[in-house]
Amino acid sequence: QPFLSQPPSASASLGASVTLTCTLNSGYSNYKVDWYQQRPGKGPRFVMRVGTGGIVGSKGHGIPDRFSVLGSGLNRFLTIKNLQLEDEGDYYCGADHGGVSKFVAVFGAGTKLTVL
Amino acid sequence: QVQLEESGGGVVQPGTSLRLSCAASGFDFDEYAMYWVRQTPGRGLEWVATISNHEVNIYYGDSVRGRFTVSRDNSRGILYLEMSDLRGEDTAIYYCARAMRDSSGFFCDLWGQGTLVTVSS
Repeated sequence: QPFLSQPPSASASLGASVTLTCTLNSGYSNYKVDWYQQRPGKGPRFVMRVGTGGIVGSKGHGIPDRFSVLGSGLNRFLTIKNLQLEDEGDYYCGADHGGVSKFVAVFGAGTKLTVL
Repeated sequence: QVQLEESGGGVVQPGTSLRLSCAASGFDFDEYAMYWVRQTPGRGLEWVATISNHEVNIYYGDSVRGRFTVSRDNSRGILYLEMSDLRGEDTAIYYCARAMRDSSGFFCDLWGQGTLVTVSS
């Protein structure tokens, strides 16, 4: 099954840009990954899905244009430009694996984004 | 308004049971698969269970399989999680989420605010 690795923390200044990384384990380079934002005290919020060709489908409701994604090899990137205080929180990537007979969903451990 | 609202959490003793509910509103509940996902305070997300829109396919995470049962009442727009033989490691915030499906699989495009389950003697 897929395994997703994320650095535990990231930080950048207000108005700057930051790129968060989610890395799949070997053998899963064709997998798409979903990015979720979780602000303090809130439930997760879907940001967007990303494959090696970039965004898959549409962004989540209310996700600003400042958010973009790229995919390369085993890595799936979420870039946030012109950082705002409201972007601070935890960012998780997720993926699922399997078919009708067996299914599993996995999440990365999350990256805590601090806006300085 | 399109939303999910969990309820039923609380403090329970180890070995006991608890049922969580998730009330859906603002969308056609019976058109979507649903997830339960939990989050240990201060830690990350853990997938618990997935149920297809008409309960044909049901899947569980390894840590809850055999103890938890997911079900749904499409006529009332409610998702359930029946939890039995609860353990301390089941202590978590439990979220329900609506699952959208495309050719790549599922993603959760709508989440509730969560309900806290604490298992403690």
